[in-house]
Amino acid sequence: GAVVSQHPSWVICKSGTSVKIECRSLDFQATTMFWYRQFPKQSLMLMATSNEGSKATYEQGVEKDKFLINHASLTLSTLTVTSAHPEDSSFYICSAIERDTGANVLTFGAGSRLTVL
Amino acid sequence: GENVEQHPSTLSVQEGDSAVIKCTYSDSASNYFPWYKQELGKRPQLIIDIRSNVGEKKDQRIAVTLNKTAKHFSLHITETQPEDSAVYFCAAGSYGQNFVFGPGTRLSVLP
Repeated sequence: GAVVSQHPSWVICKSGTSVKIECRSLDFQATTMFWYRQFPKQSLMLMATSNEGSKATYEQGVEKDKFLINHASLTLSTLTVTSAHPEDSSFYICSAIERDTGANVLTFGAGSRLTVL
Repeated sequence: GENVEQHPSTLSVQEGDSAVIKCTYSDSASNYFPWYKQELGKRPQLIIDIRSNVGEKKDQRIAVTLNKTAKHFSLHITETQPEDSAVYFCAAGSYGQNFVFGPGTRLSVLP
């Protein structure tokens, strides 16, 4: 079945630094990928929709200059948390929809736990 | 936009009993309703889904029902086992689009 790889699985960084998280579809092409943020004991909150070859669409309240998303190919989307602060500490998860299959199934990455000191 | 509510937020059942989780949605255009199971610190896994042209779907111990008129859908787990303990999220959305997730239900199956 479809597999989405997310890297790194966890990262600790100092306040003010930037962190890049990668989301790769391993055995399928994903025209669209989604990025979510999940705080402890809370639901998945959509941050942005990443479309290959075009600008990402951000949800209301998500700062596009802080959370940079790049979807340069059909198998890779990246999320860069710029100038990270402790309040950015969270679990970030990506998901992808397989291109042109007509399927409506989201395949999730394993998530990346970010801790900002 | 779509708004999904989910109840209860926590649910404890004895092993072998049934568990029911209920969700409501607001957007009548939504036509796809998946359920995800998420174990602590892991990715959500799709366990069952239902489309708006179907009223009920069953897969072994898991079943989902959909009432389009009332805009609610439910997850039913029978003969619960300890490994069913997890957080369950319902979601609602449209074909080929992202879904809006409910707030989740933490299910604990007590031995």
